[in-house]
Amino acid sequence: QQQVKQSPQSLIVQKGGISIINCAYENTAFDYFPWYQQFPGKGPALLIAIRPDVSEKKEGRFTISFNKSAKQFSLHIMDSQPGDSATYFCAASMNYGQNFVFGPGTRLSVLP
Amino acid sequence: DSGVTQTPKHLITATGQRVTLRCSPRSGDLSVYWYQQSLDQGLQFLIQYYNGEERAKGNILERFSAQQFPDLHSELNLSSLELGDSALYFCASSSGGRARDTQYFGPGTRLTVL
Repeated sequence: QQQVKQSPQSLIVQKGGISIINCAYENTAFDYFPWYQQFPGKGPALLIAIRPDVSEKKEGRFTISFNKSAKQFSLHIMDSQPGDSATYFCAASMNYGQNFVFGPGTRLSVLP
Repeated sequence: DSGVTQTPKHLITATGQRVTLRCSPRSGDLSVYWYQQSLDQGLQFLIQYYNGEERAKGNILERFSAQQFPDLHSELNLSSLELGDSALYFCASSSGGRARDTQYFGPGTRLTVL
């Protein structure tokens, strides 16, 4: 129940394309769903986050889509750029800490 | 640069030993989080402190302990080290104690247990 599944494990996209990463969770008590971006040799950085009372959140080229009934959420990167090449982690948490649970990560490569 | 500092950057030690990792949060942040990142286990939340008190606990082994001091810096103590403890250890800080408060990650400490 504490797992967050993430797919695909790796993704190769052409510059200008759309990158889509999917995550699924089981615990309906989770109420906060962040996405992190991690470049090699660096710590993760918060990219965008959503709460289950909205179905979509957009920040620039990054959009989270959230399907509460299916217990799934996804990250869409529009107009993908080589600089977006990184590992992306979805996560789930209950608002007051408890336990952050991370997906296994998706390694994105955007080809020039 | 996130403003979170971690020392040391690299640490090589032997099985059975004890090490201490140090984290200084961003100025003004009250929460400190510790994470372990390994190839086989991914990124795992270990523990959170808020203003000196333990706030949340994740998959932290009994051989590991942490504390947050009055000046808000934090230390993660790892004892009776095993080969499987080799990993990147990240510290993150946030202004508040809630999950929705943005966490800023440090550069990590790479621990190698030989």
